[in-house]
Amino acid sequence: DAGVTQSPTHLIKTRGQHVTLRCSPISGHKSVSWYQQVLGQGPQFIFQYYEKEERGRGNFPDRFSARQFPNYSSELNVNALLLGDSALYLCASSFFPTGDQPQHFGDGTRLSIL
Amino acid sequence: QKEVEQDPGPLSVPEGAIVSLNCTYSNSAFQYFMWYRQYSRKGPELLMYTYSSGNKEDGRFTAQVDKSSKYISLFIRDSQPSDSATYLCAMSTTGSGHGNQFYFGTGTSLTVIP
Repeated sequence: DAGVTQSPTHLIKTRGQHVTLRCSPISGHKSVSWYQQVLGQGPQFIFQYYEKEERGRGNFPDRFSARQFPNYSSELNVNALLLGDSALYLCASSFFPTGDQPQHFGDGTRLSIL
Repeated sequence: QKEVEQDPGPLSVPEGAIVSLNCTYSNSAFQYFMWYRQYSRKGPELLMYTYSSGNKEDGRFTAQVDKSSKYISLFIRDSQPSDSATYLCAMSTTGSGHGNQFYFGTGTSLTVIP
């Protein structure tokens, strides 16, 4: 079975632009979470979605938004890009949005801001 | 104070050595504990998932949780060069269906020398 797939794998943008990152969860998984991983750090939680509803939000500015579609895939949008947004953006999926469900990660989208 | 503390290393060991990786945490609400392995330019891969204090063994890997000390460990026996990666600890609360984020350590970089 396919794991979590993310697209694109790598993206280069300039300051002030916006970006859309996409994620397809493991088949059967209904919850999708987004994380930001800066070089040398662990992943930081951005959003969690379940059944198209936001179930959790981390400490990120309103420039970050996301949504989940009826097929459980998800998009992460970032507006007004800053240099500090350069990072690996990871998507993780699980059956349900609860702590007893281990999250499985994709290989991420590497976003570089020039 | 970060909720999860992990020594970033780097850690370098000879092939065949026993490796000990550790994390401490401050939030007593954490109930689920995970270890992920992350190769360069890849997403985190789930290695071990444990609940409650005690040991869990899977092949060459043993996860240990001591809730009274708020301390978790991952032991790797007979380490191999293919174990060279960054190891991330992660933990979560029980969650209530209102969303549950995972809290990650910064990761420990491990190199196993042939």
